[in-house]
Amino acid sequence: EDKVVQSPLSLVVHEGDTVTLNCSYEVTNFRSLLWYKQEKKAPTFLFMLTSSGIEKKSGRLSSILDKKELSSILNITATQTGDSAIYLCAVPSGTYKYIFGTGTRLKVLA
Amino acid sequence: DAGVIQSPRHEVTEMGQEVTLRCKPISGHNSLFWYRQTMMRGLELLIYFNNNVPIDDSGMPEDRFSAKMPNASFSTLKIQPSEPRDSAVYFCASSEGQLYEAFFGQGTRLTVV
Repeated sequence: EDKVVQSPLSLVVHEGDTVTLNCSYEVTNFRSLLWYKQEKKAPTFLFMLTSSGIEKKSGRLSSILDKKELSSILNITATQTGDSAIYLCAVPSGTYKYIFGTGTRLKVLA
Repeated sequence: DAGVIQSPRHEVTEMGQEVTLRCKPISGHNSLFWYRQTMMRGLELLIYFNNNVPIDDSGMPEDRFSAKMPNASFSTLKIQPSEPRDSAVYFCASSEGQLYEAFFGQGTRLTVV
């Protein structure tokens, strides 16, 4: 059965710290891995990593895919209170659906 | 486009009542997903549609749950009868298909008392 596991489950840091969130997956016919940020309501899309591109970066956020280790990390540098959210990792499973991990709850203290 | 639109945003109902959640996907997206999110279980896929056809409903917890997609711009998730353990946030999401990200609606927070 396909699955996605994220760690840690929760994390509390201070503004300015750097954090690394982990996502490991087991999926038949890997195609891509997606990162989402969920603040108060809907998850919003951050990155998609595919077999043809192993690193993505946007401002203070970056993500790397390690196909050998079947995992991905999401790095956030110089964290701000606005980064406080649940970060979700997902992989496509089967033809159309996405399997999500349980997420990492990040709290950034001022 | 206004994104994925869900209604209502909040629903409080009594046990045993019927609940209907509504979703309007992004125009042009051919895949639609219903997810349920709880603290304990995270985001669980309930059912997904492709081109208005239900492809996999194995995530639907019980026969009390049903979903329809009568056309490309509308879907419903119905719970009848509702139970307190159905309390959760229900998300609808849509995508252009495989290898494309899914866009989520704002969710419906359901409370069954």
